[in-house]
Amino acid sequence: EAQVTQNPRYLITVTGKKLTVTCSQNMNHEYMSWYRQDPGLGLRQIYYSMNVEVTDKGDVPEGYKVSRKEKRNFPLILESPSPNQTSLYFCASSLSQGGSPLHFGNGTRLTVT
Amino acid sequence: SQQGEEDPQALSIQEGENATMNCSYKTSINNLQWYRQNSGRGLVHLILIRSNEREKHSGRLRVTLDTSKKSSSLLITASRAADTASYFCATTITGANSKLTFGKGITLSVRP
Repeated sequence: EAQVTQNPRYLITVTGKKLTVTCSQNMNHEYMSWYRQDPGLGLRQIYYSMNVEVTDKGDVPEGYKVSRKEKRNFPLILESPSPNQTSLYFCASSLSQGGSPLHFGNGTRLTVT
Repeated sequence: SQQGEEDPQALSIQEGENATMNCSYKTSINNLQWYRQNSGRGLVHLILIRSNEREKHSGRLRVTLDTSKKSSSLLITASRAADTASYFCATTITGANSKLTFGKGITLSVRP
């Protein structure tokens, strides 16, 4: 089944403790992206990747890192999480940027205390 | 403000009625997409309409695009309780590196 898989689904952590949210897609998509969703603010793009070893900042990249060493994986790294990064995070992928539908993972609800 | 803004913010209808949701945008687009999100879940793609298209259908969904008014509408006919969700429009702006920008969404409640 074609899908985008994010893990974990829920994560509670403390300020400053490094964490990684994994994302994997099995559709051979070139484009992958991370979003955060907050009440009243909608979806905001954090980082995106057009292909392997090609990543770029989205609208809200501060405090986040990503890597794209393989086509299928696009992990999101929070080196030193802070409470303002408490949010619902989504990974998404598509054949290409903009012109084709995005496939979303089921989300990771992160709480930073 | 947002490139894509949905209207209304919330909509409550009776099962069987039609639901119409609108999206307005500010700058020229390559295409416009509609997505659905069930509570706390990932977004699901519904329809993509290109700037040279005026109307598209998919099952009970009908999307129109009026580039002169910079607006789109999503019509769900004969709504069902299972259509209860948030709906988002997303636009790809012309010349902006094909970036997809989402609106803040419309909450649709369909009462059984």
